[in-house]
Amino acid sequence: EAQVTQNPRYLITVTGKKLTVTCSQNMNHEYMSWYRQDPGLGLRQIYYSMNVEVTDKGDVPEGYKVSRKEKRNFPLILESPSPNQTSLYFCASGKNQPQHFGDGTRLSIL
Amino acid sequence: AQSVAQPEDQVNVAEGNPLTVKCTYSVSGNPYLFWYVQYPNRGLQFLLKYITGDNLVKGSYGFEAEFNKSQTSFHLKKPSALVSDSALYFCAAATGGGNKLTFGTGTQLKVEL
Repeated sequence: EAQVTQNPRYLITVTGKKLTVTCSQNMNHEYMSWYRQDPGLGLRQIYYSMNVEVTDKGDVPEGYKVSRKEKRNFPLILESPSPNQTSLYFCASGKNQPQHFGDGTRLSIL
Repeated sequence: AQSVAQPEDQVNVAEGNPLTVKCTYSVSGNPYLFWYVQYPNRGLQFLLKYITGDNLVKGSYGFEAEFNKSQTSFHLKKPSALVSDSALYFCAAATGGGNKLTFGTGTQLKVEL
């Protein structure tokens, strides 16, 4: 079954404690991307990757890092999380654009 | 900068009636346009996209969208709504290779019996 898998699904943590949200896809897609969803703002793109070792900033990259060492994985790293990064996060993959989304990771930064 | 507007926060329609969810966009160059649907506690599901060609694009679950260049619109339509279509719908736009997407704020569709 075609899947984009995110972990964890839920996380409550504290300001400044580094965290990583993993994303893995099993469809051999070149394109992967991260979004955050906030009420009234829709989805905003954080980072995207067109292939291994190729990443680029979206509209709201501040405070986030990504890496693409393997085609299937695209982790999102928050080195020093802050409360304004409390949000619902989605990973997506596709041939050139997002077509398959994960079920989301709800992060709460206290 | 590119932008996408979904002017209606909510659309209500009776089951069996046609539905339209509106989207207008502002991008430089030729647009890549997308519609996605989100059910509660789930990720987005891709419905359809326009890159080039026929202005009427057919997608999943009986949905279609019409690209109108002069009005910079890409409205989502379905001839006969189902209660199960009730969900949150997002329009998105991009240029270039279509990989840097800008999403609208979403429209909640409610289909009632």
